[in-house]
Amino acid sequence: DAKTTQPNSMESNEEEPVHLPCNHSTISGTDYIHWYRQLPSQGPEYVIHGLTSNVNNRMASLAIAEDRKSSTLILHRATLRDAAVYYCILARYDSGYALNFGKGTSLLVTP
Amino acid sequence: GAGVSQSPSNKVTEKGKDVELRCDPISGHTALYWYRQSLGQGLEFLIYFQGNSAPDKSGLPSDRFSAERTGGSVSTLTIQRTQQEDSAVYLCASSSLGTLRGQPQHFGDGTRLSIL
Repeated sequence: DAKTTQPNSMESNEEEPVHLPCNHSTISGTDYIHWYRQLPSQGPEYVIHGLTSNVNNRMASLAIAEDRKSSTLILHRATLRDAAVYYCILARYDSGYALNFGKGTSLLVTP
Repeated sequence: GAGVSQSPSNKVTEKGKDVELRCDPISGHTALYWYRQSLGQGLEFLIYFQGNSAPDKSGLPSDRFSAERTGGSVSTLTIQRTQQEDSAVYLCASSSLGTLRGQPQHFGDGTRLSIL
């Protein structure tokens, strides 16, 4: 399976944008890029996913590099409720898949 | 609408006992997954059900673990002769298509299992 690399932790001030990076240099053409987050004592929550083009939804934006070897999750205005572990995951398009959660990035948001 | 529901939310049992964990997926979701998360660790895949196909059991750590899904809806994860290393949060997820088009998975809040 293709792997992803994320920083262990990041810190942001409240109401500022946050850019969470993810490297996936061995991504294949059939891999979707998924982002999930996990708040304390909760199950993971889907954030966004994409294949080649940048994506926007009510929670975040996903910027995908042209060569697809990296991507960035963008939270436009961080709030204290965005403090969580963020996981970048590659999921194959064409087969039943289990999500391969790594260690993720622990985001700390300070007032 | 209702999300994925898991019960019980917490379970404490003695080593050697059997436990059953229940998952109610989102209505209409054909794919169902079980994961577990040990303290401070990422999620570990256990088993995957998709429609009427044979389940993917490749993640089950031992033959003490089994799962079934009745009527394509509710699923039960059973752990026999529990060991202390089975202590973890057991998470269930469901998705609408499962295998195609990278559909997201929707997770319950898990069952926290503690083996004394």
